Amino acid sequence: AQKVTQAQTEISVVEKEDVTLDCVYETRDTTYYLFWYKQPPSGELVFLIRRNSFDEQNEISGRYSWNFQKSTSSFNFTITASQVVDSAVYFCALSDEGTYKYIFGTGTRLKVLA
Amino acid sequence: GAVVSQHPSWVICKSGTSVKIECRSLDFQATTMFWYRQFPKQSLMLMATSNEGSKATYEQGVEKDKFLINHASLTLSTLTVTSAHPEDSSFYICSATEGAGTGAEQYFGPGTRLTVT
Repeated sequence: AQKVTQAQTEISVVEKEDVTLDCVYETRDTTYYLFWYKQPPSGELVFLIRRNSFDEQNEISGRYSWNFQKSTSSFNFTITASQVVDSAVYFCALSDEGTYKYIFGTGTRLKVLA
Repeated sequence: GAVVSQHPSWVICKSGTSVKIECRSLDFQATTMFWYRQFPKQSLMLMATSNEGSKATYEQGVEKDKFLINHASLTLSTLTVTSAHPEDSSFYICSATEGAGTGAEQYFGPGTRLTVT
């Protein structure tokens, strides 16, 4: 069965600190997709990244970076030099081959303090 | 980028009444639309998947007679909460895909906050 675990319920950091949000997934399929979304207080989900299972290259986008490791079934997300505007709930999601459905993790609430 | 709208953004209704929420893909044709429910400080729970012109597929435990979903066109899906009760109060989010393949990105609407008094 597919499952996404975000063990960190809530993280608080001081502005300019780096922070890593963990995501561990379970799936039996060899083809799958992983996603990260940001949900600010307004509630609207903001797409951050999509990664397929055959692409293990790490990705960097500005202050954001993602580390995908199939060996540990993890897809971690790092924010460098965090800012107050990064405060939000971050969700990791998994989509398996043959389905359009997303399996969401429980989310990590990030609070960046000024 | 692809934009999905929802209307209304928030609604308050009395217990026993029905409420309709619209989800529209504004600049693309949505082959599939999804409806999620989110309780405060919790994750998104998929309620149902709908394809244009066919009946929605509901997730286990979701009452299809209570949550009526209609996907009348490639740009519009509606969720009607029938005979709403306070326990139906929640944040409802729709999403849509334009792709036909696995792993197609879902574009999310801004959500509708429903409060039943």
